[in-house]
Amino acid sequence: EIVLTQSPATLSLSPGERATLSCGASQTISSNYLAWYQQKPGQAPRLLIYGASSRATGIPDRFSGSGSETDFTLTISRLEPEDFAVYYCQQYATSPLTFGPGTKVDIK
Amino acid sequence: QVQLVQSGAEVKKPGASVKVSCKASGYIFNNYGISWVRQAPGQGLEWMGWISGYSGNTKYAQSFQARVTITTDTSTRTANMELRSLRSDDTAIYYCARDGYEQKRPLDHWAQGTLVTVSS
Repeated sequence: EIVLTQSPATLSLSPGERATLSCGASQTISSNYLAWYQQKPGQAPRLLIYGASSRATGIPDRFSGSGSETDFTLTISRLEPEDFAVYYCQQYATSPLTFGPGTKVDIK
Repeated sequence: QVQLVQSGAEVKKPGASVKVSCKASGYIFNNYGISWVRQAPGQGLEWMGWISGYSGNTKYAQSFQARVTITTDTSTRTANMELRSLRSDDTAIYYCARDGYEQKRPLDHWAQGTLVTVSS
């Protein structure tokens, strides 16, 4: 099983600032099958990034993903008020699918 | 448009079973699969299992293997997840999400979730 870690656990920033979230894997994720999801309170998760760096349909270009093998990053270039949420990384290269524990981005 | 709609909230006693349904629309059901993910109160996301809409093949997380069964009814474009021998720590929101017919896809569409409460 691929174990994912995320850092930091909480990121306190102001609107307009840049957010950098990290995701680490216990082993190489083949084909960069790494996704990022956003979850707001009371809502289902929403796919943001897949294949480590491809934005899902309708996702603003302030969201970008990068990385390979075991180290991945989600960057939000300028935080909008609606971006304050919890972000999860997930690998879909091997079963069982696994998620990171999440990074909460809250308002400073 | 792609839509997944789950059945309503459930309250169950310890030891009972629960069955949650997930009805799909807006895409060719057989070309994709469905994964089930749960989220305990205030906790993260936990994958439970997957079924292929094409072959009916299933995969389960080891921690649920003995207690969960995922099925599909292609005639109604519905996936079902049954969890048996419920415990209080099974209290969670259960989500279905569209996956690949052989997995290897991100979970690109999610249903609204079903709250299952296990309490005596």
